[in-house]
Amino acid sequence: DTEVTQTPKHLVMGMTNKKSLKCEQHMGHRAMYWYKQKAKKPPELMFVYSYEKLSINESVPSRFSPECPNSSLLNLHLHALQPEDSALYLCASSQTHKRTGGNTIYFGEGSWLTVV
Amino acid sequence: GENVEQHPSTLSVQEGDSAVIKCTYSDSASNYFPWYKQELGKGPQLIIDIRSNVGEKKDQRIAVTLNKTAKHFSLHITETQPEDSAVYFCAAILNFGNEKLTFGTGTRLTIIP
Repeated sequence: DTEVTQTPKHLVMGMTNKKSLKCEQHMGHRAMYWYKQKAKKPPELMFVYSYEKLSINESVPSRFSPECPNSSLLNLHLHALQPEDSALYLCASSQTHKRTGGNTIYFGEGSWLTVV
Repeated sequence: GENVEQHPSTLSVQEGDSAVIKCTYSDSASNYFPWYKQELGKGPQLIIDIRSNVGEKKDQRIAVTLNKTAKHFSLHITETQPEDSAVYFCAAILNFGNEKLTFGTGTRLTIIP
């Protein structure tokens, strides 16, 4: 089973709202990722967690706040977003972050976010 | 950092014909090259991958070839079917580095029945 589960599938929020996106995997993977994808573009890396610690932040604005409560869960807290933040937010996971021989990254189906 | 170029951006083929998508990468240290298929409204799905110690890999109708000297890799889909219609992304990663997956710009493949 190579399943990464994301909730909600769709989210509409106002610019003053606070909401969260959730991601879960039960493959024993120790690296988890958040990507952002705009229409007709490839996914762009936002954050990487390795062994529940933030290891990469791609200079993402502070209105996006990631959290990794345990090895199976990854959250993305959203606050004071702008309409241009509307996009598909993808969670992904892989066995390890740095490992000889490589790893395979599996994506969830994504959460469609619309900021109004 | 790594840069991945992907061509063509759109591709239409008759059902039953073959489709080929090509990618080039810039960092010779990249050693893992996955291909993802993304259907409308869904997340990217890994369809095949290849590591730098292998020149070719095949899985039923899908194959990937890697030329490390030229720094390019290609996806080959034979006997195309309507369900192959999707956007395909190539990617490259330095597994011994910071593990950032660099994507190509994507190819929209349309299979004409």
